[in-house]
Amino acid sequence: DGGITQSPKYLFRKEGQNVTLSCEQNLNHDAMYWYRQDPGQGLRLIYYSQIVNDFQKGDIAEGYSVSREKKESFPLTVTSAQKNPTAFYLCASSMGSGDEQFFGPGTRLTVL
Amino acid sequence: GENVEQHPSTLSVQEGDSAVIKCTYSDSASNYFPWYKQELGKGPQLIIDIRSNVGEKKDQRIAVTLNKTAKHFSLHITETQPEDSAVYFCAANLDYKLSFGAGTTVTVRA
Repeated sequence: DGGITQSPKYLFRKEGQNVTLSCEQNLNHDAMYWYRQDPGQGLRLIYYSQIVNDFQKGDIAEGYSVSREKKESFPLTVTSAQKNPTAFYLCASSMGSGDEQFFGPGTRLTVL
Repeated sequence: GENVEQHPSTLSVQEGDSAVIKCTYSDSASNYFPWYKQELGKGPQLIIDIRSNVGEKKDQRIAVTLNKTAKHFSLHITETQPEDSAVYFCAANLDYKLSFGAGTTVTVRA
């Protein structure tokens, strides 16, 4: 069953703590993306990766970090430097940059 | 970068009527325009897309039109049904990145 999985679905963290969100795909896609979604707003690009071992900052990369050591995996770390981390985080993948993007189910992060 | 504006922000239609959502983009180099449907608490799903070399595309009750000169594109849903109620996002692709509109919440009244 091919697709994109994100875990966990809900995540709570205390202020000052780093937290890592998981994103895995078995679609054999080269490109992967992380977006942030706030209530009543569109999706904003945090980071993207066009190929393994390479990634670029999106529009709102400050306070976030990523790695792309494997084609299937693109974890996102929300660091304590992110001022307003409470949001819905979406991971996506595509065959190549500019192709249709497939989204995961999302992780809702709440900072207590 | 690309800037995408989407209107209206909310849309309420009677079941069986049509719904139209409009988007404009700023960079004429954008070449791919997908539309996504998002249900509450879920990830967006692609419902239709169009590339810059095509003016119109249709898939059953859904159609998208693109006017490159005016830099705007629209989503048309005909014969709306209750399951069409959701948030719809337009997007434009530039430099291998998608920029999204703010979304339209569509409510289909029975």
